[in-house]
Amino acid sequence: SAVISQKPSRDICQRGTSLTIQCQVDSQVTMMFWYRQQPGQSLTLIATANQGSEATYESGFVIDKFPISRPNLTFSTLTVSNMSPEDSSIYLCSVESGDYGYTFGSGTRLTVV
Amino acid sequence: EDKVVQSPLSLVVHEGDTVTLNCSYEVTNFRSLLWYKQEKKAPTFLFMLTSSGIEKKSGRLSSILDKKELFSILNITATQTGDSAVYLCAVELGTYKYIFGTGTRLKVLA
Repeated sequence: SAVISQKPSRDICQRGTSLTIQCQVDSQVTMMFWYRQQPGQSLTLIATANQGSEATYESGFVIDKFPISRPNLTFSTLTVSNMSPEDSSIYLCSVESGDYGYTFGSGTRLTVV
Repeated sequence: EDKVVQSPLSLVVHEGDTVTLNCSYEVTNFRSLLWYKQEKKAPTFLFMLTSSGIEKKSGRLSSILDKKELFSILNITATQTGDSAVYLCAVELGTYKYIFGTGTRLKVLA
């Protein structure tokens, strides 16, 4: 299965600022997925990123708040914009891995103060 | 509305105990059910189940799916402190579409 490098691993940010999270995959993949896991909650899909086209956002998530780039088949970024304490979560990128379901990046733990 | 419910929410056991984690689901379209182990941030894959009644095993872990009663169980025998984690259940609804449960937090005491 694919190996995904995600960074930063963690960050503490001031409210009103933005953070960009990067994911690098060791193989070419068509789709990449961005998830959020708020404290004590389940994983929630933010958006699906397809190379060469705009990301598709799930209900409750908008591009202005979570802009995504997908410049090639091995890389994607998610930006959390104009952050508030409610954005404090673990953010995960992932790719589909056939019989293994998803392979996830190592995750970014974001705390907004 | 599609939903996946895991129970118990949390569990504390001693090393050597056997635990059973539950995942029930109500979904409009079922393709597969997956179990993941989440120790820190990144979930790691344990099992994918698509057929009822066929047990999947990996060492001390095993899992089975009941598509009639709409649930799955994950068993861990002879638990070790390294089994302490959140165990997530997810149901695949369609292409690139999964719904996750909130997880069971397992703590194994030495």
